[in-house]
Amino acid sequence: EAGVVQSPRYKIIEKKQPVAFWCNPISGHNTLYWYRQNLGQGPELLIRYENEEAVDDSQLPKDRFSAERLKGVDSTLKIQPAELGDSAVYLCASSLNGLGEQFFGPGTRLTVL
Amino acid sequence: GNSVTQMEGPVTLSEEAFLTINCTYTATGYPSLFWYVQYPGEGLQLLLKATKADDKGSNKGFEATYRKETTSFHLEKGSVQVSDSAVYFCAQGGSEKLVFGKGMKLTVNP
Repeated sequence: EAGVVQSPRYKIIEKKQPVAFWCNPISGHNTLYWYRQNLGQGPELLIRYENEEAVDDSQLPKDRFSAERLKGVDSTLKIQPAELGDSAVYLCASSLNGLGEQFFGPGTRLTVL
Repeated sequence: GNSVTQMEGPVTLSEEAFLTINCTYTATGYPSLFWYVQYPGEGLQLLLKATKADDKGSNKGFEATYRKETTSFHLEKGSVQVSDSAVYFCAQGGSEKLVFGKGMKLTVNP
């Protein structure tokens, strides 16, 4: 069974440019999470979806970040415009009905120059 | 709010040495507790978990016991291997979100 898929794995952009990350969760997992992991830190939740509904986006910086999960399967996280401080690894995770273990993808490492 | 404090590294050990990584948490209620591991170039993987007080999680020779009285979930392994070199994260939470510690990088030398 395929795990959580994320793309791209790496992205380098200049500040003020837009960027988007894509995540495809494990088949059948209706709960999807986006985390941000700064260098030397643990991941921090940005947003959680139950199916297509964003049920917790309290930590998402809404002035420049947006996310969608239109059909309740794959999801896109966007930053526009990117700032230097957005350099981090963006992790996607999924779980079955929000119970138990969260399965993480490999992450997208973003570098903003 | 809920938080996790864990030993910060980096730590270097020789093969077959004993490993302890301390982890304490603050929380309202009784969250589930987790240890995740991140091998070089890979994503986070669940190593073990415990869902209630006095539960012991174990996997791949690693163990951790949920201690409610000390709000701790220390990770131990009796004899580490080179293949255990990774970053280890303690976390608490449940279905809503996980709150992670900062992680500890472990290097095991032959």
